[in-house]
Amino acid sequence: QSALTQPASVSGSPGQSITISCTGTSSDVGGYNYVSWYQQHPGKAPKLMIYEVSNRPSGVPDRFSGSKSGNTASLTISGLQAEDEADYYCSSYTSSSTFRVFGGGTKLTVL
Amino acid sequence: QVQLVESGGGLVKPGGSLRLSCAASGFTFSDYYMSWIRQAPGKGLEWVSYISSSGSTIYYADSVKGRFTISRDNAKNSLYLQMNSLRAEDTAVYYCAREDTAMVEYWGQGTLVTVSS
Repeated sequence: QSALTQPASVSGSPGQSITISCTGTSSDVGGYNYVSWYQQHPGKAPKLMIYEVSNRPSGVPDRFSGSKSGNTASLTISGLQAEDEADYYCSSYTSSSTFRVFGGGTKLTVL
Repeated sequence: QVQLVESGGGLVKPGGSLRLSCAASGFTFSDYYMSWIRQAPGKGLEWVSYISSSGSTIYYADSVKGRFTISRDNAKNSLYLQMNSLRAEDTAVYYCAREDTAMVEYWGQGTLVTVSS
């Protein structure tokens, strides 16, 4: 069982928007603005898409955005494109003895 | 550019040991925290271990505590993971990652560890 809870799958049509949630506790998501999101295509290493809840690294399209409310963080992808089809993982720093936790991952299907 | 290249993966029997290495380049290795993160076949990401830039602070996931040891050699720009008492559930691709409290900014391509008799 993962420390952070994500939906197993989401789907959307090209051009639509989708949102992936990531629920933790006050020891991780809710307690710090250290939530990050990663995109992973099959057979590839994960790629950082969002850091510190809502910041995008250079090169990540502004179609990707992040937010947080309480113990739940969210990743929104607007204007869905075929190449967005991938697995998405959230992660957070945690004040427990383990330092970092990941969500179980969400498979995004672009219909 | 930042490069992280893992090596040392392979097939090992249950109860056996393996040492993973990660060669870092393109940045000042001694300035950065580092982590190992793994992914079992068809499963999600699991953070394994973290080491501070000097090596003075270390954390482990409960699933590997007491069996795995993370270390680094800043003179050689290298990160290591000594894995002992390996179990079938340790089978995974192991990623070396440049760590920041806020994010994992860079990932290696991973090395596969298979624990099987």
